[in-house]
Amino acid sequence: EIVLTQSPGTLSLSPGERATLSCTASQTVSSTYFAWYQQKSGQAPRLLIYGASSRATDIPDRFSGSGSGTDCTLTISRLEPEDSAVYYCQQYATSQYTFGQGTKLEIK
Amino acid sequence: DVQLVESGGGLVKPGGSLRLSCATSGFTFSHYNMNWVRQAPGKGLEWVSSILRSGNFPSYSDSVKGRFTISRDNAKNSLYLEMSSLRDEDTAVYYCARDSLDQYYAMDVWGQGTTVTVSS
Repeated sequence: EIVLTQSPGTLSLSPGERATLSCTASQTVSSTYFAWYQQKSGQAPRLLIYGASSRATDIPDRFSGSGSGTDCTLTISRLEPEDSAVYYCQQYATSQYTFGQGTKLEIK
Repeated sequence: DVQLVESGGGLVKPGGSLRLSCATSGFTFSHYNMNWVRQAPGKGLEWVSSILRSGNFPSYSDSVKGRFTISRDNAKNSLYLEMSSLRDEDTAVYYCARDSLDQYYAMDVWGQGTTVTVSS
């Protein structure tokens, strides 16, 4: 089973700043099958990024993804108050999906 | 509008059984692979099970294999999760989620979830 480890656990930033969230896999992951989700308190998750770097429908261009191999990154430029949420990475391989443990982003 | 609506959650005793349903609308259900994902109270997301658009080759996480069964009825646009031998650690919100059509294995539409509580 591929394990995804996200860092940092919690990130506290101010509006207008840039957030960088990392996800490291225990073995090489195809970037085609790598995704990021946002989950706000009390809500279902929402797909942000798929294929490591493609934005999902209606996701603002402040959100961007990159990476390959064992490391992927979600960058949120120009933070807004509504970006406060928990962010999860996810991968798919050999009929199994795994999620990272999440990074909590707090907007000061 | 694309919609996924889960139902069937509730309180069940350890060792008991429960059947979750996910009613879908607004898209051609038979074209999409589907998933169940759960979230224990205060915890992160955990993939539970997936099923291909044809209904063939279901897959399960190790934590539920042999106890849970995923199925679908393409004529009724519905997804199911039959859960048996339930344990305390199965307590969670269970989400139904659609795989994106383009084979990226990302979940592009989610329901609001149904809560399963396993407790004596």
